[in-house]
Amino acid sequence: GAGVSQSPSNKVTEKGKDVELRCDPISGHTALYWYRQSLGQGLEFLIYFQGNSAPDKSGLPSDRFSAERTGGSVSTLTIQRTQQEDSAVYLCASRSLDRVNEQFFGPGTRLTVL
Amino acid sequence: EDQVTQSPEALRLQEGESSSLNCSYTVSGLRGLFWYRQDPGKGPEFLFTLYSAGEEKEKERLKATLTKKESFLHITAPKPEDSATYLCAVQAAMDSSYKLIFGSGTRLLVRP
Repeated sequence: GAGVSQSPSNKVTEKGKDVELRCDPISGHTALYWYRQSLGQGLEFLIYFQGNSAPDKSGLPSDRFSAERTGGSVSTLTIQRTQQEDSAVYLCASRSLDRVNEQFFGPGTRLTVL
Repeated sequence: EDQVTQSPEALRLQEGESSSLNCSYTVSGLRGLFWYRQDPGKGPEFLFTLYSAGEEKEKERLKATLTKKESFLHITAPKPEDSATYLCAVQAAMDSSYKLIFGSGTRLLVRP
């Protein structure tokens, strides 16, 4: 079956512009995560969605970052007024409700802020 | 604070030269320790989950082991196709979101 997909694969934007990154999880996966991978760094947790529960936003680095998940499936990560330090690879992962130890990752979106 | 440290940052091996990668962790109760492989331009690919000290898992030329403070990924007789970044991550037992806390990875290059 299809894995996690993300779009766009690459995004170049100017400082101060808003960007939207999209994640399509594996069909049937109720849990969805966003992580950020900066150059030379490990993956950093951003936000977690599980079904209709309130999301865990504890990893969002500032109020310029927000995310939503519509219909329990597709998720969009929005970064407002982008800064150069937002340049990174943004990775999405999903898992099923009962298999809590198996997160499947998408290929990521490489964001470059000029 | 939960933390994962991986060493070395980079490792160059000749084909067939066995070695080990280290992952040290501090976590408020370990639910699981994970190893992932990441190729350039791709997302991490799951390799192993370890749950308790003394546990070992194997897959082809890779073997992962776990103690109360660290994990090792042993690579036996590596091949050039084993070249990748290897990521270690932990899940904290009390974390209801089951998020992963990652180290910064070890970049492995295996030369033919």
